[in-house]
Amino acid sequence: EAQVTQNPRYLITVTGKKLTVTCSQNMNHEYMSWYRQDPGLGLRQIYYSMNVEVTDKGDVPEGYKVSRKEKRNFPLILESPSPNQTSLYFCASRKGDWGEQFFGPGTRLTVL
Amino acid sequence: AQSVAQPEDQVNVAEGNPLTVKCTYSVSGNPYLFWYVQYPNRGLQFLLKYITGDNLVKGSYGFEAEFNKSQTSFHLKKPSALVSDSALYFCAVREENAGNMLTFGGGTRLMVKP
Repeated sequence: EAQVTQNPRYLITVTGKKLTVTCSQNMNHEYMSWYRQDPGLGLRQIYYSMNVEVTDKGDVPEGYKVSRKEKRNFPLILESPSPNQTSLYFCASRKGDWGEQFFGPGTRLTVL
Repeated sequence: AQSVAQPEDQVNVAEGNPLTVKCTYSVSGNPYLFWYVQYPNRGLQFLLKYITGDNLVKGSYGFEAEFNKSQTSFHLKKPSALVSDSALYFCAVREENAGNMLTFGGGTRLMVKP
C-alpha cells in the first residue's frame, strides 16, 4: 500500500530534550516536506527536500533541522524543543513537480 | 510573497443543498492551486488541483473548483452536499517558478446537517 508513515504518532517531552520524528514513504517520491498545523493558521511548511541531499527552508524553519540521506526517509529533528513547538506535524511526499501530495497521519507533539 | 485566504472559519449547509467553500490567493506570477480535505484524526487528502487549462476543475468525491484569475479566487463547490462531506478543507497555492514552497490557507470547517 502506497503510504507515508510517521513515528511517533504522539510525543510528550520537556524543554531542551532533543527529539527526532521519523518520516518514510514507499512511493519513490523525489519531493518530501514537513508541515506544522496550528489552529487558525492552517499548515505552514517547515522544510522541504527535492531529492537526496537537497533540502531548503520553508516558512517556519527556526528551531528545526532535517536531513535527506536516503530517498525514502526525511526525519525532522528538534535539537532543543521549546513549548512554542507544541503542534501537530505532518510529513508529505509527491512525485515530480505536479504530482499529488500524500500526507502522513500526523505526529502530535507536546513540549512542556 | 504568496498567500492564501479562506475568509470563512466555518460553513454550514443542509444535506442535499449546494455548497461553496471560498478561497482567494495572492501571487506575483502564475498560481498553481490545490484543495485538500482533512477528516478528524487523519492527514490531509488531495481533492483537486488547477495548473493550467480549463478554469473548471473536477476532483474527487464530486467536488469541483473554479479558477477565476480576475478575482484571484479558487472556490470549492459541490452541487449536493452529503453529511459525510463534513470535514476541514484547506486551499493551497504555489507560485510558478517559486520552488517547492506550498502555502496553505487557515482552513474552513464544513458542517453538513441532515
